[in-house]
Amino acid sequence: ELKVEQNPLFLSMQEGKNYTIYCNYSTTSDRLYWYRQDPGKSLESLFVLLSNGAVKQEGRLMASLDTKARLSTLHITAAVHDLSATYFCAVDTTGNQFYFGTGTSLTVIP
Amino acid sequence: NAGVTQTPKFRVLKTGQSMTLLCAQDMNHEYMYWYRQDPGMGLRLIHYSVGEGTTAKGEVPDGYNVSRLKKQNFLLGLESAAPSQTSVYFCASSKQGIQPQHFGDGTRLSIL
Repeated sequence: ELKVEQNPLFLSMQEGKNYTIYCNYSTTSDRLYWYRQDPGKSLESLFVLLSNGAVKQEGRLMASLDTKARLSTLHITAAVHDLSATYFCAVDTTGNQFYFGTGTSLTVIP
Repeated sequence: NAGVTQTPKFRVLKTGQSMTLLCAQDMNHEYMYWYRQDPGMGLRLIHYSVGEGTTAKGEVPDGYNVSRLKKQNFLLGLESAAPSQTSVYFCASSKQGIQPQHFGDGTRLSIL
């Protein structure tokens, strides 16, 4: 069974600061996804990373994938309050079975 | 602009009762999924379907059944509800397996 670990689980950061969320997984895969979930809401796709070395950026968020290290990072640049949410990574090995991390709850404070 | 619609949004059941959750998508997606989300555990895949008439087990399939008789619908059934099935259930769909999933708004299910 594939294990997906995220850290930190909780993150409180000041506006304007930078931080990185880490996603480690336990078996070989070159397909990794990042999602965002606002409280009480559904999940929204942020990034799809499909190869080693893949890097995607959207606004203040940048995601990368290192398949050899089995590690993905989600970097937040100059955080703003609107980024407060829970962020999930998910790994897939077959195109069908998706395993989600436990999520990182991010709070951006003024 | 419906996307993925889940019915119902909330439900309270008694132990031993049965019910069916309905997921409908209007994006002509081949792949559909059912997840449960529990506090501190992220999402766990219950069952999935790669096309009309097909279903397969995910990570936590016990106690659930599914059917995909029409491409746009994916039903999740609980034959005999148990308190351990209290959770938020999300349905998702995607065009292909490697493409991002589109999620419904979830169904909050409580079993007493």
